[in-house]
Amino acid sequence: GENVEQHPSTLSVQEGDSAVIKCTYSDSASNYFPWYKQELGKRPQLIIDIRSNVGEKKDQRIAVTLNKTAKHFSLHITETQPEDSAVYFCAAVGNDYKLSFGAGTTVTVRA
Amino acid sequence: KAGVTQTPRYLIKTRGQQVTLSCSPISGHRSVSWYQQTPGQGLQFLFEYFSETQRNKGNFPGRFSGRQFSNSRSEMNVSTLELGDSALYLCASSWEGGRTDEQYFGPGTRLTVT
Repeated sequence: GENVEQHPSTLSVQEGDSAVIKCTYSDSASNYFPWYKQELGKRPQLIIDIRSNVGEKKDQRIAVTLNKTAKHFSLHITETQPEDSAVYFCAAVGNDYKLSFGAGTTVTVRA
Repeated sequence: KAGVTQTPRYLIKTRGQQVTLSCSPISGHRSVSWYQQTPGQGLQFLFEYFSETQRNKGNFPGRFSGRQFSNSRSEMNVSTLELGDSALYLCASSWEGGRTDEQYFGPGTRLTVT
């Protein structure tokens, strides 16, 4: 099955700076890569996703890039704000149709 | 459109008991997936139901089971509870569970086994 690795496990950034989270996956047949944000005590919330037919997608301050050759994808958050503090999970859907998650990155934005 | 709902939100059970959790998907969504979230193991896939049939299954023991009804609502059951089953159980719904379908999560059921 699919194996997703996510780095770093924790990330502390100054408000206004950028944050980057990187993930790698193992199943070369994977073609859908969502990112979820989970605030403390809340449900994972889909914030952006990318499909394998594109290399980059942006939505306001967040962007995701995908490199299918290297089997890695990244989340970029620009101009970070305190409300960006949360745990972020990357995920991939492999040939088995299962959503496999990375271990999560705890992002703390310092005011 | 109402989001995914789960009941109950919190449960405390004793080892050896069984528990049933419920999930109502977003209206029109026919696929429901279940996940277990723990600090140690992260988010792990339990199973997925579509049109009342289990279509996919993760690596969990047979004590974990589920079903889906004709209105797409789903239940999962855990029998003979163990301390290690303490976790947040999340369900997620999507249109048809296709490989590129977006999945939306419910608020989860926090299960504590004592």
